Amino acid sequence: EADIYQTPRYLVIGTGKKITLECSQTMGHDKMYWYQQDPGMELHLIHYSYGVNSTEKGDLSSESTVSRIRTEHFPLTLESARPSHTSQYLCASSEDAAAETQYFGPGTRLLVL
Amino acid sequence: GENVEQHPSTLSVQEGDSAVIKCTYSDSASNYFPWYKQELGKRPQLIIDIRSNVGEKKDQRIAVTLNKTAKHFSLHITETQPEDSAVYFCAANLFSGYALNFGKGTSLLVTP
Repeated sequence: EADIYQTPRYLVIGTGKKITLECSQTMGHDKMYWYQQDPGMELHLIHYSYGVNSTEKGDLSSESTVSRIRTEHFPLTLESARPSHTSQYLCASSEDAAAETQYFGPGTRLLVL
Repeated sequence: GENVEQHPSTLSVQEGDSAVIKCTYSDSASNYFPWYKQELGKRPQLIIDIRSNVGEKKDQRIAVTLNKTAKHFSLHITETQPEDSAVYFCAANLFSGYALNFGKGTSLLVTP
């Protein structure tokens, strides 16, 4: 089934650890996005990509990095997790050009102790 | 990026009443306006969208209206039910940069 997947769904980790949040989509979409969202609150765009080898920073300053080596895969990495990184991270994707509808993954809830 | 302002931030209605959420946008080139519903603990999901060549669109109990001149669009939910309780986000597309600019969300509570 065409969808967008995120792993892990929940992660509890200690300060200073390196983590990678995985996002994959099977819809063949060119555009992919990462949002940070505290539960029920505003969606903050932190990274986006227009396609393979394209990555851009969003509105919200983030200490994370992303890569886009394959169309279907858009992982987000935190080199050194801190308690301020505790949040929910949502991945999304959309087709290129005229169809701008974004489809969201289920999210990763991150808790940094 | 360009701003999308959304009001109210919270809305409480009784079951069966109507609910209206309003958004304004600043990028006059915007031509696509989706609405997302996010239930507690779930991902945002598209519930309805409208393009600038249309003034109104309806899907059962939900409708969206667009006023391009005034640069505002609204979500209307009629005959509200408790399962309509969620956070609703409006958005508008952008031609300078990334695809969608989201409002800050409206927390809708429908009480039985």
